[in-house]
Amino acid sequence: QVQLLQSGPTVKRPGASVKISCETSGYSFSNHFIQWVRQAPGQGLEWMGLINPTGAGTAYDSTIYAHKFKGRISMTRDMSRNTVYMELSSLRSDDTAVYFCARGEVRFDPWGQGTMVTVSS
Amino acid sequence: DIQLTQSPSSLSASVGDRVTVSCQASQDIGGKLNWYQQKPGKAPRLLIYDAANLQAGVPSRFSGSGSGTSYVLSISSLQPEDIATYYCQQCDDFPYTFGQGTKLEI
Repeated sequence: QVQLLQSGPTVKRPGASVKISCETSGYSFSNHFIQWVRQAPGQGLEWMGLINPTGAGTAYDSTIYAHKFKGRISMTRDMSRNTVYMELSSLRSDDTAVYFCARGEVRFDPWGQGTMVTVSS
Repeated sequence: DIQLTQSPSSLSASVGDRVTVSCQASQDIGGKLNWYQQKPGKAPRLLIYDAANLQAGVPSRFSGSGSGTSYVLSISSLQPEDIATYYCQQCDDFPYTFGQGTKLEI
């Protein structure tokens, strides 16, 4: 079955970077977008951006980022590992959240299990 | 950015009740509206896509409706396992946005 397996929880210092992996299985990696969504403790869901694993045959670029994160977010893919990565730099305390990857271009299903990132000095 | 406003923010209901959650968009989103269910400590789960289409494997007591700027998620007969927070999400324009969530309690 389709599965998205994310890397484990991590603690970072303010100003550092974090890179989270999302390893996919059970489907053709190149045929589906991957989205990233985060959720701060006790808060709602926040869309961060998407990546098209191939970047081909689309009306837009292979990555689209929410304005809020532009300049400090990067999404990449390793097609040999069927894995997508999301890197967020210049971390602040308000970046403490659970980060989710999810499959799909306009509807997100299924989701990864989430990765807890704690930013603390 | 398109704003999504859900109401109510929280809801208490009894087993067997019919429950509805509303989602109001700040502009016409052409039916490009999804609903997710999230249980504590878990990832969200897609329930309804394109406003009214039931995702495979989701119980038929869940349904969605709406168009333009106004959308509704309904649960026809509330079950104990439906206790969760429900989110709407628009995919009509970037950045994709979510409603603030509706917490459902029994």
